[in-house]
Amino acid sequence: DVKVTQSSRYLVKRTGEKVFLECVQDMDHENMFWYRQDPGLGLRLIYFSYDVKMKEKGDIPEGYSVSREKKERFSLILESASTNQTSMYLCASSSGTIMSNSPLHFGNGTRLTVT
Amino acid sequence: KQEVTQIPAALSVPEGENLVLNCSFTDSAIYNLQWFRQDPGKGLTSLLLIQSSQREQTSGRLNASLDKSSGRSTLYIAASQPGDSATYLCGVTGGGNKLTFGTGTQLKVEL
Repeated sequence: DVKVTQSSRYLVKRTGEKVFLECVQDMDHENMFWYRQDPGLGLRLIYFSYDVKMKEKGDIPEGYSVSREKKERFSLILESASTNQTSMYLCASSSGTIMSNSPLHFGNGTRLTVT
Repeated sequence: KQEVTQIPAALSVPEGENLVLNCSFTDSAIYNLQWFRQDPGKGLTSLLLIQSSQREQTSGRLNASLDKSSGRSTLYIAASQPGDSATYLCGVTGGGNKLTFGTGTQLKVEL
């Protein structure tokens, strides 16, 4: 069974802090994704990665960066946290390419509050 | 830009009823469509994936259909149970391996 683990379930940070959200998957998946989920807005893609050291911007990358130094780990970085980044953050992974049509596997999410 | 809509936003049904959840998308150039379940405060669990060349997929009491040309998918749940209560989301994979989600249908199955 695929397991996607997000290091924190709940996180409270202050405005201006640098925040690291960590995600690890145990199935050797090539693709990893970071989404944020907000009421009424649904899930929005922040960044994704097809392979180690590769990254692509999603729909809302502003204020975020990512790091993928190892295949199993994909980190989301908030360079200077702001209150509008208070949200539920969800990491996901999948195998292969688009044509492999493999399902997306999600972690349990990190609920981040920025005060 | 792909837009995904799910109607209704919320649904309440008595136990045992068969029900249909709807998902529509604006760009028919998709690779696949996935249905997910999300329990409160948790991540998403993939239920069914329909490839663009397929018309439907079945898993237990769940059946998902896809009509790519009209931009629609339905998730049929047979003989609903209280344990089916959750939010159901559909996601469409288009160009760039990006999955675009709808905002979900919150289902409550009552005893």
